[in-house]
Amino acid sequence: ILNVEQSPQSLHVQEGDSTNFTCSFPSSNFYALHWYRWETAKSPEALFVMTLNGDEKKKGRISATLNTKEGYSYLYIKGSQPEDSATYLCAFNYGGSQGNLIFGKGTKLSVKP
Amino acid sequence: SAVISQKPSRDICQRGTSLTIQCQVDSQVTMMFWYRQQPGQSLTLIATANQGSEATYESGFVIDKFPISRPNLTFSTLTVSNMSPEDSSIYLCSADSGNTIYFGEGSWLTVV
Repeated sequence: ILNVEQSPQSLHVQEGDSTNFTCSFPSSNFYALHWYRWETAKSPEALFVMTLNGDEKKKGRISATLNTKEGYSYLYIKGSQPEDSATYLCAFNYGGSQGNLIFGKGTKLSVKP
Repeated sequence: SAVISQKPSRDICQRGTSLTIQCQVDSQVTMMFWYRQQPGQSLTLIATANQGSEATYESGFVIDKFPISRPNLTFSTLTVSNMSPEDSSIYLCSADSGNTIYFGEGSWLTVV
């Protein structure tokens, strides 16, 4: 059974703090690793699609790294803002159909002003 | 990119009834998918909606319970049949555009 684990489950930080989350996934049959940001009552927003070992991607204050050999990815948020409050999901795609994603349960981030 | 609209966004359903969720994409896409998130659980793939052929279901999901239509390259429906409280979930439609999977806003169903 393919399993994706995310930690921590939830996180409360102050505005301005930097933070990071972890996503662990199977290291075999890797195809891609996706990060999403999901606010309540909105569509999950695609942040990154990572495919290469050692990949590092950045979007504004958010960045992510990928280690396919050991099966983990980190998501970093620099200088958290209240609008960063959301659930951050990672999803493992092990090949075959692009859309067959195995999701973790997410990390729920709350940023206090 | 792709913009995906789903409806209904939310509904309260009676046990034993069926509900059809509609998904509209603003561009033609090859692959469309239906996911479910039960309370406290991960998003889980129900099936891949194939245009012009039957949907492909994941283990644990069957066509009689979750019939899917895909009449063209921009539209799909998912029906949740003979609902029970265990079907109370968020149901999300998604589509593959480029190398990114885009999602609708979800349909929040509560079965009473």
